[in-house]
Amino acid sequence: QSVLTQPPSTSGTPGQRVTMSCSGSRSNIGINSVNWYQHLPGAAPKLLIYNNNQRPSGVPDRFSGSKSGTSASLAISGLQSGDEADYFCAAWDDSLNGYVFGTGTEVTVL
Amino acid sequence: EVLLVESGGGLVQPGGSLRLSCEASGFSFSSFAVHWVRQAPGKGMEYVAAMSHDGGTTYYADSVKGRLTISRGNSKSTMNLQMVSLRREDTAVYYCTRNSGSRFMDVWGKGTTVTV
Repeated sequence: QSVLTQPPSTSGTPGQRVTMSCSGSRSNIGINSVNWYQHLPGAAPKLLIYNNNQRPSGVPDRFSGSKSGTSASLAISGLQSGDEADYFCAAWDDSLNGYVFGTGTEVTVL
Repeated sequence: EVLLVESGGGLVQPGGSLRLSCEASGFSFSSFAVHWVRQAPGKGMEYVAAMSHDGGTTYYADSVKGRLTISRGNSKSTMNLQMVSLRREDTAVYYCTRNSGSRFMDVWGKGTTVTV
């Protein structure tokens, strides 16, 4: 169902840097910007990164995004226990004429 | 504070109906397009429906076309999702979201759960 592919999970110890990928196709990531969200259980998803690498006001610079071709990545540096959450990517798809989302990556802090 | 609060979810039999609502606060609701996004158990997010800031343009995913209807009341800063002929595959948490003005959603609600 999800058009964008993400690894199901990743983990790291406090202070470490973790990265996660988001793979799509030309009609979505290839020609449109990627956005990343943090989703804690029972909470509203929170915008972390927009336009591939821009952080909204209030998002720490520990979170960074990048895009290359039809893939994008989110990196979390200085991992903290509060970063345990599900992270999903999103992009507009010109073929579907709608938003598409990633499968989500669960981050665990060991 | 910019907030979106969903309500109206619940348990319904297949073929039944439900009306979801989303109340906005903290911003000029009539200036923004809005969306409904859902997440079925164990699945990723799915784009369901959208409406332009003035209600003049709508979008529906193929999976819900003809069964779900999005509407908005700018004077009350609310939007709704009327759901009829519900199917088991409509079981999900439904989120209302705000469009940023560019091609991304910048504000989400906490969601309301629909179980068919």
